[in-house]
Amino acid sequence: EDQVTQSPEALRLQEGESSSLNCSYTVSGLRGLFWYRQDPGKGPEFLFTLYSAGEEKEKERLKATLTKKESFLHITAPKPEDSATYLCAVQAVNSGYSTLTFGKGTMLLVSP
Amino acid sequence: DAGVTQSPTHLIKTRGQQVTLRCSPISGHKSVSWYQQVLGQGPQFIFQYYEKEERGRGNFPDRFSARQFPNYSSELNVNALLLGDSALYLCASSRQGQAPYEQYFGPGTRLTVT
Repeated sequence: EDQVTQSPEALRLQEGESSSLNCSYTVSGLRGLFWYRQDPGKGPEFLFTLYSAGEEKEKERLKATLTKKESFLHITAPKPEDSATYLCAVQAVNSGYSTLTFGKGTMLLVSP
Repeated sequence: DAGVTQSPTHLIKTRGQQVTLRCSPISGHKSVSWYQQVLGQGPQFIFQYYEKEERGRGNFPDRFSARQFPNYSSELNVNALLLGDSALYLCASSRQGQAPYEQYFGPGTRLTVT
């Protein structure tokens, strides 16, 4: 069974204080790993897709990296508007079509 | 371009009733997936449809059903509602039915069962 574990469950940062969120996964074969941002009561917003170990993607203050067992979402000099829940999801080789298996998310709060 | 749209935004039903949720994918996307998200959890896969055919089904009871129309829009039906069906129901669209294409989510429908 595919599993995704995100840590920490919640993270509180001061504005400008950089940190990283972790996503560890167990799948029989990875097709892709996805990061989403979700604001309260809204649908997840797509951020990144990573396909193979060693791959990195960047967008503004966010940088996602991937190894064979985990992915990190690095947040550099965060701002209050980065406050949200960040979700990690995997798509496995044996998942048929586009099924995503999600973790529970990391709730990030950035204080001014 | 318009994103994924879902209707209604909010819905309140009583136990035992039936509900239909609707989704319109991004223009050009032929695949639609449905997810259930309960408070404090990540989304859980319910169904995927591609070219009007069911291509994947999650671990949900037969009370849950869905269909996709020729214009690629989709409906999710839930019969005999239980209190535990209260959740945010998310629709996601992607270009094709096969991995690993990114899925883009709609704003969701908040269902409350009393």
